[in-house]
Amino acid sequence: GQNIDQPTEMTATEGAIVQINCTYQTSGFNGLFWYQQHAGEAPTFLSYNVLDGLEEKGRFSSFLSRSKGYSYLLLKELQMKDSASYLCAARNTGGFKTIFGAGTRLFVKA
Amino acid sequence: NAGVTQTPKFQVLKTGQSMTLQCAQDMNHEYMSWYRQDPGMGLRLIHYSVGAGITDQGEVPNGYNVSRSTTEDFPLRLLSAAPSQTSVYFCASSLRTSGQPQHFGDGTRLSIL
Repeated sequence: GQNIDQPTEMTATEGAIVQINCTYQTSGFNGLFWYQQHAGEAPTFLSYNVLDGLEEKGRFSSFLSRSKGYSYLLLKELQMKDSASYLCAARNTGGFKTIFGAGTRLFVKA
Repeated sequence: NAGVTQTPKFQVLKTGQSMTLQCAQDMNHEYMSWYRQDPGMGLRLIHYSVGAGITDQGEVPNGYNVSRSTTEDFPLRLLSAAPSQTSVYFCASSLRTSGQPQHFGDGTRLSIL
């Protein structure tokens, strides 16, 4: 079957580092995406991995292990504005369908 | 550059009514899709299109129809609204299917009474 698992909620302190994990099972694999979604708003793209390894983009990094069906999103130097839901999404072979996890709600406290 | 535009932003319907949610993009994207987002369930794919004249079903297509007569527009039709279709609906587009992130509209919040 197809499934994506990620923690429901996480809490972290301003200025700290937080890692949000994601495991996936898809019928074929054509890339792993992370999106950020603030409450009441649309998801916005954060990062993309298709090969194993780490992709770094400013304060955000994303890691992929295809053999383990595992990814994580790393947020550094947390800011209050990072309080949001983070969606892990896997695209299947051919790229026609994307499966989304239920999202991880991150609370950043002062 | 407007990106992905969805209308309306909010709508209340009675059970059995029909309506069309509009979606338009001005980025010349080939791929367009419709999702619904329900609490605790994440985004679920309803229908998608890889180009004008080509559509296919996603995970939860029942009760919905789509068409793609132009590259820009991808409307979603609810045939006979049911309370189970109360949700937030997002339209998204991407340049291609591989390696390209999806750009989302602001969403339509739909309530069926």
